Amino acid sequence: AQKVTQAQTEISVVEKEDVTLDCVYETRDTTYYLFWYKQPPSGELVFLIRRNSFDEQNEISGRYSWNFQKSTSSFNFTITASQVVDSAVYFCALSEHEWSGNTGKLIFGQGTTLQVKP
Amino acid sequence: ETGVTQTPRHLVMGMTNKKSLKCEQHLGHNAMYWYKQSAKKPLELMFVYSLEERVENNSVPSRFSPECPNSSHLFLHLHTLQPEDSALYLCASSPGQLLTDTQYFGPGTRLTVL
Repeated sequence: AQKVTQAQTEISVVEKEDVTLDCVYETRDTTYYLFWYKQPPSGELVFLIRRNSFDEQNEISGRYSWNFQKSTSSFNFTITASQVVDSAVYFCALSEHEWSGNTGKLIFGQGTTLQVKP
Repeated sequence: ETGVTQTPRHLVMGMTNKKSLKCEQHLGHNAMYWYKQSAKKPLELMFVYSLEERVENNSVPSRFSPECPNSSHLFLHLHTLQPEDSALYLCASSPGQLLTDTQYFGPGTRLTVL
């Protein structure tokens, strides 16, 4: 069965610190997709990244970077030089491909609340 | 600027009321979704529509009734709700017919059932 675990419920850092949000997933499938979303206090989930299971290259986008490790079933997210505007709830999600007969629906983790203090 | 809008943003209703949530996407997408986000729980998928046809219904109580009149609009009709239905209801859309496409979310409707 699919499962996404974000063990860190809340993280608090001071501005300019680097912070890593952990995500561990479970799937029996070889074809799947991983996502990160950000949910600021306004409520809207903002898409950050989508990776497929065949692409293990790490990705960097500005202050954001993602480390995909299939060997440990992890897809961790690092924010470098954090800012107050990064304060939000961050969700990791998994979707298995429909070829496998799965519905492809998103399975979300519980979310990690990040607070960046000035 | 978001391509997915939801109205109303906040709704308070009694258990005997009937109300509807509206979602509209301006992205030209073909699939639309309703999710429920309760406190301390992961997001739960409720309904999925692909090309206006319902393709997923996650054992949602019949007091929630979805409607997708076209690929740009999605409604969630509510009647005889319970206090435990109080939650943030999020709408999303995705480009194609594959549910593994990236989903883009609206700002949500914060529902309180008294």
